[in-house]
Amino acid sequence: DTGVSQDPRHKITKRGQNVTFRCDPISEHNRLYWYRQTLGQGPEFLTYFQNEAQLEKSRLLSDRFSAERPKGSFSTLEIQRTEQGDSAMYLCASSLEGRNTEAFFGQGTRLTVV
Amino acid sequence: KQEVTQIPAALSVPEGENLVLNCSFTDSAIYNLQWFRQDPGKGLTSLLLIQSSQREQTSGRLNASLDKSSGRSTLYIAASQPGDSATYLCAVRGNQFYFGTGTSLTVIP
Repeated sequence: DTGVSQDPRHKITKRGQNVTFRCDPISEHNRLYWYRQTLGQGPEFLTYFQNEAQLEKSRLLSDRFSAERPKGSFSTLEIQRTEQGDSAMYLCASSLEGRNTEAFFGQGTRLTVV
Repeated sequence: KQEVTQIPAALSVPEGENLVLNCSFTDSAIYNLQWFRQDPGKGLTSLLLIQSSQREQTSGRLNASLDKSSGRSTLYIAASQPGDSATYLCAVRGNQFYFGTGTSLTVIP
């Protein structure tokens, strides 16, 4: 297993365009998290899944953001009508279910909205 | 809402020095605490996981402690090396992970 994989690593888009990111978790992990990180800040929670169910969403996740995990494996995060304020690193993490499990993060997708 | 604070925000030390990074959190009802390392422009690498019932966890030159009742954790790095230069983040776990803003460490050769 190569760990958590995110694609693409970098994305530059024009304001108003839609973008989609993909995350492939560690294969046996049933929990998957999305975080957003801006320069100089710690990661901020966006949403998490247990298998295919989206269990929690942050108020940061506006109507322009949607996340899916259709078969409980990989997940996608879509941002519609991107704004310059969406420029950030989008991080995905996975873990086993349970309170005392370790989370593993991917390398992130760096989004730049111009 | 859980608030996580890391002090100092930045730290610069000469190679070989031992150092301590601090993390505090406001809600002691946590499942565990995890320390991560982040290199510039990269994702997070897990360093240590401390369960809520544990007081300490060690990995190589790293030692992390947890005092849940007082809402504090420390990460001790022994005999620092230039390769340790990175940002160190602590995260406390409830249903989600709550992160501090990190400590940016520079080890000077």
